[in-house]
Amino acid sequence: EDQVTQSPEALRLQEGESSSLNCSYTVSGLRGLFWYRQDPGKGPEFLFTLYSAGEEKEKERLKATLTKKESFLHITAPKPEDSATYLCAVQAHSGGYQKVTFGTGTKLQVIP
Amino acid sequence: KAGVTQTPRYLIKTRGQQVTLSCSPISGHRSVSWYQQTPGQGLQFLFEYFSETQRNKGNFPGRFSGRQFSNSRSEMNVSTLELGDSALYLCASSLLQGNTEAFFGQGTRLTVV
Repeated sequence: EDQVTQSPEALRLQEGESSSLNCSYTVSGLRGLFWYRQDPGKGPEFLFTLYSAGEEKEKERLKATLTKKESFLHITAPKPEDSATYLCAVQAHSGGYQKVTFGTGTKLQVIP
Repeated sequence: KAGVTQTPRYLIKTRGQQVTLSCSPISGHRSVSWYQQTPGQGLQFLFEYFSETQRNKGNFPGRFSGRQFSNSRSEMNVSTLELGDSALYLCASSLLQGNTEAFFGQGTRLTVV
Protein backbone atom coordinates (compact mmCIF):
# COMPACT_ATOMS: atom_id res chain seq x y z
CA GLU A 1 0.00 0.00 0.00
CA ASP A 2 1.24 3.49 -0.87
CA GLN A 3 2.42 5.51 2.11
CA VAL A 4 3.32 9.16 2.53
CA THR A 5 4.83 10.43 5.79
CA GLN A 6 5.46 14.10 6.49
CA SER A 7 7.67 15.47 9.21
CA PRO A 8 7.66 17.33 11.42
CA GLU A 9 3.95 17.47 12.22
CA ALA A 10 4.33 21.06 13.35
CA LEU A 11 7.10 23.61 13.01
CA ARG A 12 7.47 27.00 14.59
CA LEU A 13 10.01 29.39 13.04
CA GLN A 14 11.10 32.92 13.68
CA GLU A 15 10.71 35.24 10.70
CA GLY A 16 13.81 34.82 8.54
CA GLU A 17 14.78 31.44 10.02
CA SER A 18 15.15 29.02 7.11
CA SER A 19 14.16 25.36 7.43
CA SER A 20 13.02 22.28 5.51
CA LEU A 21 9.93 20.12 5.57
CA ASN A 22 10.24 16.43 4.74
CA CYS A 23 7.96 14.11 2.78
CA SER A 24 9.01 10.47 2.59
CA TYR A 25 7.08 8.05 0.43
CA THR A 26 6.74 4.38 -0.35
CA VAL A 27 4.96 3.77 -3.64
CA SER A 28 5.40 1.63 -6.68
CA GLY A 29 5.05 3.27 -10.03
CA LEU A 30 5.43 6.91 -8.98
CA ARG A 31 3.83 9.23 -11.53
CA GLY A 32 4.37 12.48 -9.69
CA LEU A 33 4.82 14.16 -6.30
CA PHE A 34 2.85 17.29 -5.44
CA TRP A 35 3.20 20.01 -2.82
CA TYR A 36 0.27 22.11 -1.67
CA ARG A 37 -0.30 24.71 1.02
CA GLN A 38 -3.58 24.89 2.87
CA ASP A 39 -4.83 27.83 4.90
CA PRO A 40 -7.52 27.29 7.56
CA GLY A 41 -11.01 27.02 6.08
CA LYS A 42 -9.74 26.86 2.50
CA GLY A 43 -8.94 24.19 -0.05
CA PRO A 44 -5.30 23.32 -0.77
CA GLU A 45 -3.37 25.63 -3.09
CA PHE A 46 -1.11 23.97 -5.65
CA LEU A 47 2.60 24.74 -5.32
CA PHE A 48 4.73 22.24 -7.26
CA THR A 49 4.77 18.98 -9.19
CA LEU A 50 7.96 16.90 -9.31
CA TYR A 51 8.28 13.91 -11.59
CA SER A 52 11.73 12.39 -11.26
CA ALA A 53 14.62 12.10 -8.79
CA GLY A 54 16.95 15.07 -8.99
CA GLU A 55 14.24 17.48 -10.10
CA GLU A 56 13.99 20.84 -8.32
CA LYS A 57 11.43 23.64 -8.56
CA GLU A 58 11.35 27.09 -6.98
CA LYS A 59 8.71 29.68 -6.27
CA GLU A 60 9.54 32.79 -4.27
CA ARG A 61 10.88 31.59 -0.88
CA LEU A 62 10.02 27.93 -1.55
CA LYS A 63 12.13 25.28 -3.22
CA ALA A 64 11.06 21.66 -3.67
CA THR A 65 13.45 18.79 -4.35
CA LEU A 66 12.90 15.10 -5.04
CA THR A 67 14.91 11.94 -4.45
CA LYS A 68 13.88 8.32 -4.96
CA LYS A 69 12.51 8.07 -1.43
CA GLU A 70 11.67 11.58 -0.26
CA SER A 71 11.01 15.16 -1.11
CA PHE A 72 12.00 18.31 0.73
CA LEU A 73 10.31 21.67 0.78
CA HIS A 74 12.92 24.26 1.69
CA ILE A 75 11.67 27.58 3.02
CA THR A 76 14.21 30.38 2.85
CA ALA A 77 13.81 33.43 5.12
CA PRO A 78 10.12 32.74 5.81
CA LYS A 79 7.61 35.49 6.52
CA PRO A 80 4.48 35.32 8.69
CA GLU A 81 2.33 34.97 5.56
CA ASP A 82 4.04 31.64 4.89
CA SER A 83 2.21 30.23 7.92
CA ALA A 84 -0.02 27.39 6.70
CA THR A 85 -0.24 23.61 6.56
CA TYR A 86 1.96 22.18 3.81
CA LEU A 87 0.72 18.97 2.22
CA CYS A 88 2.63 16.47 0.14
CA ALA A 89 0.92 13.96 -2.17
CA VAL A 90 2.07 11.23 -4.53
CA GLN A 91 0.34 9.84 -7.57
CA ALA A 92 1.04 6.23 -8.49
CA HIS A 93 -0.36 3.34 -10.48
CA SER A 94 -2.43 0.97 -8.38
CA GLY A 95 -4.60 -1.82 -9.75
CA GLY A 96 -5.08 -0.24 -13.15
CA TYR A 97 -5.84 3.18 -11.71
CA GLN A 98 -3.77 6.22 -10.87
CA LYS A 99 -4.29 6.90 -7.19
CA VAL A 100 -3.34 9.98 -5.19
CA THR A 101 -2.16 9.58 -1.60
CA PHE A 102 -1.70 12.58 0.69
CA GLY A 103 0.45 12.96 3.76
CA THR A 104 -1.07 14.43 6.91
CA GLY A 105 0.80 17.68 6.50
CA THR A 106 3.22 19.92 8.35
CA LYS A 107 1.68 22.86 10.15
CA LEU A 108 4.08 25.78 9.84
CA GLN A 109 3.89 28.85 12.04
CA VAL A 110 6.19 31.79 11.32
CA ILE A 111 6.47 34.26 14.17
CA PRO A 112 7.28 37.94 13.47
CA LYS B 1 -10.92 33.76 -14.22
CA ALA B 2 -13.38 32.11 -11.84
CA GLY B 3 -12.06 29.41 -9.56
CA VAL B 4 -13.53 26.07 -8.60
CA THR B 5 -17.00 26.45 -7.12
CA GLN B 6 -18.50 23.95 -4.73
CA THR B 7 -22.07 23.99 -3.50
CA PRO B 8 -23.40 23.93 -0.94
CA ARG B 9 -20.72 25.14 1.49
CA TYR B 10 -22.35 23.55 4.51
CA LEU B 11 -24.76 20.66 4.88
CA ILE B 12 -26.31 18.80 7.80
CA LYS B 13 -27.85 15.40 7.10
CA THR B 14 -29.27 12.58 9.16
CA ARG B 15 -27.74 9.11 9.29
CA GLY B 16 -29.22 6.92 6.55
CA GLN B 17 -30.02 9.78 4.20
CA GLN B 18 -28.24 10.45 0.94
CA VAL B 19 -26.54 13.63 -0.22
CA THR B 20 -25.40 15.16 -3.51
CA LEU B 21 -22.57 17.67 -3.70
CA SER B 22 -21.79 19.79 -6.73
CA CYS B 23 -18.56 21.07 -8.25
CA SER B 24 -18.05 23.49 -11.12
CA PRO B 25 -14.45 23.38 -12.38
CA ILE B 26 -12.39 26.19 -13.81
CA SER B 27 -13.51 27.00 -17.33
CA GLY B 28 -11.66 24.77 -19.80
CA HIS B 29 -10.65 22.18 -17.23
CA ARG B 30 -11.88 18.71 -18.07
CA SER B 31 -10.66 16.78 -15.04
CA VAL B 32 -12.48 16.86 -11.71
CA SER B 33 -11.26 14.96 -8.66
CA TRP B 34 -13.00 14.52 -5.33
CA TYR B 35 -11.38 14.22 -1.90
CA GLN B 36 -12.52 13.68 1.66
CA GLN B 37 -10.67 15.55 4.42
CA THR B 38 -11.01 14.64 8.10
CA PRO B 39 -8.83 15.52 11.11
CA GLY B 40 -7.98 11.87 11.69
CA GLN B 41 -7.34 10.61 8.14
CA GLY B 42 -6.27 13.78 6.39
CA LEU B 43 -7.00 14.16 2.69
CA GLN B 44 -8.15 11.00 0.95
CA PHE B 45 -8.70 10.62 -2.78
CA LEU B 46 -12.16 9.48 -3.80
CA PHE B 47 -12.19 9.48 -7.59
CA GLU B 48 -11.37 11.44 -10.73
CA TYR B 49 -13.58 12.13 -13.72
CA PHE B 50 -12.28 13.19 -17.10
CA SER B 51 -14.46 13.75 -20.15
CA GLU B 52 -17.50 12.34 -18.35
CA THR B 53 -15.78 9.04 -17.46
CA GLN B 54 -14.40 7.89 -14.14
CA ARG B 55 -10.69 7.45 -14.80
CA ASN B 56 -9.25 6.84 -11.36
CA LYS B 57 -10.56 5.84 -7.99
CA GLY B 58 -9.45 5.50 -4.38
CA ASN B 59 -10.44 2.99 -1.73
CA PHE B 60 -13.92 4.11 -0.76
CA PRO B 61 -17.04 1.93 -0.60
CA GLY B 62 -19.64 1.92 -3.36
CA ARG B 63 -21.84 4.28 -1.32
CA PHE B 64 -19.65 7.02 -2.73
CA SER B 65 -20.30 7.68 -6.39
CA GLY B 66 -19.99 10.49 -8.83
CA ARG B 67 -20.63 11.65 -12.30
CA GLN B 68 -19.50 14.33 -14.70
CA PHE B 69 -21.59 16.19 -17.22
CA SER B 70 -20.71 17.34 -20.72
CA ASN B 71 -19.90 20.83 -19.41
CA SER B 72 -17.36 19.23 -16.99
CA ARG B 73 -19.44 20.03 -13.91
CA SER B 74 -19.38 17.13 -11.49
CA GLU B 75 -21.56 15.78 -8.74
CA MET B 76 -20.69 13.44 -5.92
CA ASN B 77 -23.32 11.33 -4.21
CA VAL B 78 -23.11 9.56 -0.88
CA SER B 79 -25.89 7.14 -0.07
CA THR B 80 -26.90 5.68 3.30
CA LEU B 81 -24.92 8.26 5.23
CA GLU B 82 -22.95 7.18 8.29
CA LEU B 83 -21.68 9.35 11.14
CA GLY B 84 -18.14 8.72 9.91
CA ASP B 85 -18.94 10.42 6.61
CA SER B 86 -18.84 13.78 8.37
CA ALA B 87 -15.97 15.58 6.68
CA LEU B 88 -14.89 18.38 4.39
CA TYR B 89 -15.40 17.25 0.80
CA LEU B 90 -13.08 18.94 -1.65
CA CYS B 91 -13.22 19.06 -5.39
CA ALA B 92 -10.22 19.86 -7.58
CA SER B 93 -10.06 20.63 -11.27
CA SER B 94 -7.17 20.38 -13.68
CA LEU B 95 -6.62 20.81 -17.36
CA LEU B 96 -5.26 17.33 -17.91
CA GLN B 97 -6.16 13.94 -16.53
CA GLY B 98 -4.12 12.79 -13.56
CA ASN B 99 -4.26 15.58 -10.99
CA THR B 100 -1.43 17.57 -12.52
CA GLU B 101 -1.54 21.12 -11.20
CA ALA B 102 -4.94 20.74 -9.55
CA PHE B 103 -6.92 23.73 -8.28
CA PHE B 104 -9.15 23.10 -5.29
CA GLY B 105 -12.48 24.59 -4.31
CA GLN B 106 -13.25 25.69 -0.77
CA GLY B 107 -15.11 22.48 -0.04
CA THR B 108 -18.46 21.36 1.31
CA ARG B 109 -18.59 20.75 5.05
CA LEU B 110 -20.90 17.76 5.59
CA THR B 111 -22.12 16.93 9.08
CA VAL B 112 -24.03 13.70 9.62
CA VAL B 113 -26.09 13.55 12.82
